[in-house]
Amino acid sequence: DSGVTQTPKHLITATGQRVTLRCSPRSGDLSVYWYQQSLDQGLQFLIQYYNGEERAKGNILERFSAQQFPDLHSELNLSSLELGDSALYFCASSVDGVRSPLHFGNGTRLTVT
Amino acid sequence: QQQVKQSPQSLIVQKGGISIINCAYENTAFDYFPWYQQFPGKGPALLIAIRPDVSEKKEGRFTISFNKSAKQFSLHIMDSQPGDSATYFCAARLTGNQFYFGTGTSLTVIP
Repeated sequence: DSGVTQTPKHLITATGQRVTLRCSPRSGDLSVYWYQQSLDQGLQFLIQYYNGEERAKGNILERFSAQQFPDLHSELNLSSLELGDSALYFCASSVDGVRSPLHFGNGTRLTVT
Repeated sequence: QQQVKQSPQSLIVQKGGISIINCAYENTAFDYFPWYQQFPGKGPALLIAIRPDVSEKKEGRFTISFNKSAKQFSLHIMDSQPGDSATYFCAARLTGNQFYFGTGTSLTVIP
């Protein structure tokens, strides 16, 4: 068990809707990362937070947003959902946001119908 | 554009055989190269990692070979076991802990 907790495990919703994915990092980890995993794209980096501040942005759509709260948990908000947003969304955490390895949660499987 | 290219996409190996997965990169600013193992329904888990100033790292049955001049690195799994059946991802890190992942290799070890 990596110590990174993601909820919910599964989410089924309709196109046009909005969902929120939640992540609790490992105890002591200050940095949180969000990744999208689809069959043909592998693991795509979305966004990174460090101690509440946005650190880096990857291929994150404007319809998606995230934040890291004072207790260090993070939420990824996906809005105006499209069929192509169906994927596994992983959260990872690291001790710092500089040189420490990533530890992944078990992901949230999002299905948009 | 895929920063890290991984091959093969899938691999079938007999029990006891050697599994080899290859990755290549272009950006010489990458400073750390981990491999992750992912089982169905689970997140990727760090397996083994290497820094570019080292040519080989071994941990048990798992070995990373690193060729800095060719900008390639590979994972070797010796004496492959059915329990090794999983998807393997290589990755490379840029400053600021930005990781770029390969597209994954699905390994099946046949008993």
